[in-house]
Amino acid sequence: NAGVTQTPKFQVLKTGQSMTLQCAQDMNHNSMYWYRQDPGMGLRLIYYSASEGTTDKGEVPNGYNVSRLNKREFSLRLESAAPSQTSVYFCASRGNSEYGYTFGSGTRLTVV
Amino acid sequence: EDQVTQSPEALRLQEGESSSLNCSYTVSGLRGLFWYRQDPGKGPEFLFTLYSAGEEKEKERLKATLTKKESFLHITAPKPEDSATYLCAVGPTGNTPLVFGKGTRLSVIA
Repeated sequence: NAGVTQTPKFQVLKTGQSMTLQCAQDMNHNSMYWYRQDPGMGLRLIYYSASEGTTDKGEVPNGYNVSRLNKREFSLRLESAAPSQTSVYFCASRGNSEYGYTFGSGTRLTVV
Repeated sequence: EDQVTQSPEALRLQEGESSSLNCSYTVSGLRGLFWYRQDPGKGPEFLFTLYSAGEEKEKERLKATLTKKESFLHITAPKPEDSATYLCAVGPTGNTPLVFGKGTRLSVIA
């Protein structure tokens, strides 16, 4: 099925560990986004890529890095995880502006 | 600064009890206003896009309307399966990312 695929779905990390969240879309969309969602805070933009080869910071980029590997894939890396990064992470892509964004199903990350 | 404020934060309705959710916004040029539905443990799913004041769109028991400063999501005779969090987002002009509100958590009790 066409859409946005995120892996893994769940992850538990210890403080200081690193990991990469993977995101891939098969809709030939140019723009891709990483959000985090916390209770009472809504969706907050971490980084985005308006097109292949470009990335920009969003509202909460500290502690994260991203890579736009190709048009399909946009990964989010936590170099040294902290408990404050415990959250649900959503990847999204944008094609036809009529539909806004298409979201993945999320990665639930817990840092202990 | 572009901002979106949704109210109420949570709403509890009896089945069949119609109501409205509010989304007020300030944005430097509106490309579009988007409504999404989010079920627990899932990503947001697209509902509507509105582009200009006076525009209305409907889908089953939902109707979205837009003015120059706010949008309403009207829910007519809701059913328990309408229970979800409803998110509003605005798209500024150009390629600027969407700005989301914090959502309204709707519970419909049978």
